[in-house]
Amino acid sequence: DAKTTQPPSMDCAEGRAANLPCNHSTISGNEYVYWYRQIHSQGPQYIIHGLKNNETNEMASLIITEDRKSSTLILPHATLRDTAVYYCIVRVYAGNNRKLIWGLGTSLAVNP
Amino acid sequence: GAVVSQHPSWVICKSGTSVKIECRSLDFQATTMFWYRQFPKQSLMLMATSNEGSKATYEQGVEKDKFLINHASLTLSTLTVTSAHPEDSSFYICSASPITQSSYNSPLHFGNGTRLTVT
Repeated sequence: DAKTTQPPSMDCAEGRAANLPCNHSTISGNEYVYWYRQIHSQGPQYIIHGLKNNETNEMASLIITEDRKSSTLILPHATLRDTAVYYCIVRVYAGNNRKLIWGLGTSLAVNP
Repeated sequence: GAVVSQHPSWVICKSGTSVKIECRSLDFQATTMFWYRQFPKQSLMLMATSNEGSKATYEQGVEKDKFLINHASLTLSTLTVTSAHPEDSSFYICSASPITQSSYNSPLHFGNGTRLTVT
């Protein structure tokens, strides 16, 4: 079962920031939040991950609330190529296996 | 870096035949690889965890005799769909993480998937 909740779809104008929210209210203290995206008919692409501090890389920024119950992925200047399904995932650690439990994600449409 | 390659990218086969899908880590080694299946408009479902040098671990409800997994080396895992049926038509995706990233929180990298159509 997915441990995260995301809006099913969002729209964003090209060039503007896209802010994608995610709720993970049952997250455990040592669980990281991961963000991936999947462009149609391709494998998922890793974007960013974090534990409790805000993170930034060349693709995006990740803002995690102080209570860690929610987070926001920020694409600072969205382009048409950012149109994809974005998945927020909390990884379940089961023995030696690291499982990613996938929800339905947010389908982001970047409009010209 | 951290490129995962899948082959073939798409395959069409007849019902009753077997199909092998390869997953290779091109620039890193991985002791563990993961196999997922994705039906249209649905999310990824973990099928099994492939462990180099040992038996794969299958998720509940996944038939191990139907979906044969072999992890022969640190850079190659294969998934064979045996006696394929039309309901096995799906998008199969593998993922892996570099062995040098010892932290269990290191991100997984995914292949581009294999579209299987069984007629």
